Amino acid sequence: TQLLEQSPQFLSIQEGENLTVYCNSSSVFSSLQWYRQEPGEGPVLLVTVVTGGEVKKLKRLTFQFGDARKDSSLHITAAQPGDTGLYLCAGAGGGSNYKLTFGKGTLLTVNP
Amino acid sequence: DSGVTQTPKHLITATGQRVTLRCSPRSGDLSVYWYQQSLDQGLQFLIQYYNGEERAKGNILERFSAQQFPDLHSELNLSSLELGDSALYFCASSAQPGNTEAFFGQGTRLTVV
Repeated sequence: TQLLEQSPQFLSIQEGENLTVYCNSSSVFSSLQWYRQEPGEGPVLLVTVVTGGEVKKLKRLTFQFGDARKDSSLHITAAQPGDTGLYLCAGAGGGSNYKLTFGKGTLLTVNP
Repeated sequence: DSGVTQTPKHLITATGQRVTLRCSPRSGDLSVYWYQQSLDQGLQFLIQYYNGEERAKGNILERFSAQQFPDLHSELNLSSLELGDSALYFCASSAQPGNTEAFFGQGTRLTVV
């Protein structure tokens, strides 16, 4: 069974601060995705990383896939209240393993 | 708007009852996934269909079943409901079974009383 551990579970910061959240596993994934979920809504895909060591930037968000494709991080620069939400990572096994395995998420609160 | 439509948005029912949740995938997507989300377990994969056929099965109880119809919409049937089945149920769709970039609906909040 592939498991994804996300840390921290909860994070409360002030507007303008930087933060990093982590997604770790003992399993190798063919790709890893990050989603953001707001209360009462479904998760929304932010990015997919595929290659070990890959770094992708989405405005103030920087995503990195570990060299061994077992872990990933999300760094947010100058956080804003609009960044508040549940950040979920999800790993795809690849090949005939079609399912996405989700971590339990990091609940981020950015206070004005 | 993700393009994935789920109905109903909210459902309250009694223990022992049976309910059906419905999902219409994004236009052109052939693959449909069902997930259950609860506070303690997070998002749990239940089952996946591709073009009408079951492709992957996760932690789906025997009391639960799903199908995908020729028009590609999918239904998740939950029977003999228990209090612990109360959760958010999400449907997601993607273009291909190997393309796991999934687009989620807004979910159905099921409350079993």
